[in-house]
Amino acid sequence: DIQMTQSPSSLSASVGDRVTITCRASQSISSYLNWYQQKPGKAPKLLIYATSSLQSGVPSRFSGSGSGTDFTLTISSLQPEDFATYYCQHSYSARWAFGQGTKVEIK
Amino acid sequence: QVQLQESGPGLVKPSETLSLTCNVSGASISRNYWSWIRQPPGKGLEWIGHVYYSGSTNYNPSFKSRVTISVATSKNQFSLKLTSVTAADTAVYYCARVFGSSGWFYFDYWGQGTLVTVSS
Repeated sequence: DIQMTQSPSSLSASVGDRVTITCRASQSISSYLNWYQQKPGKAPKLLIYATSSLQSGVPSRFSGSGSGTDFTLTISSLQPEDFATYYCQHSYSARWAFGQGTKVEIK
Repeated sequence: QVQLQESGPGLVKPSETLSLTCNVSGASISRNYWSWIRQPPGKGLEWIGHVYYSGSTNYNPSFKSRVTISVATSKNQFSLKLTSVTAADTAVYYCARVFGSSGWFYFDYWGQGTLVTVSS
């Protein structure tokens, strides 16, 4: 089965910072990679699907890139409402999986 | 507006069966895949499996033969059964709609989640 590894596991950043989160697959997953944001006590929210497609209603400061095994989620200018945990998820095979999450905290 | 709502017991005894139902409104269950995902307290998300409206399923192998996901099209619902539960199955359980095609699948609508505690 394909394993997803995110880095870092957590990071501290300030409002206005550019933030990059990495997701690595244990084998090639083409571009079958999605990103979610989760705030405490809430269900996850879809941010980006198919590596780089922005879900409707998601601010344009979020972007995704990558292919094969290495993917990134970038927040161009961190806003107060962006402090949350972010998860990647693949749908390459019939058995899907999430990364372990990256918590973005206020510096 | 698509809405999903989980329901079921919040407390299950060890070795018993966890049963949850997800009621779907604003969309027909006779389209798309439908999925269950869980999150142990303080931990990350874990995909459990998904079901197509036809009844075909795919499961996370880590659950081996303990899990069954089924769909009730007449009720616009789908369900999760997890047998022989232990404390490690204590988690918030989410139901979600799977959208997409040709391999590009993602969870676009989620329920609010329901906490299931396994304890005697």
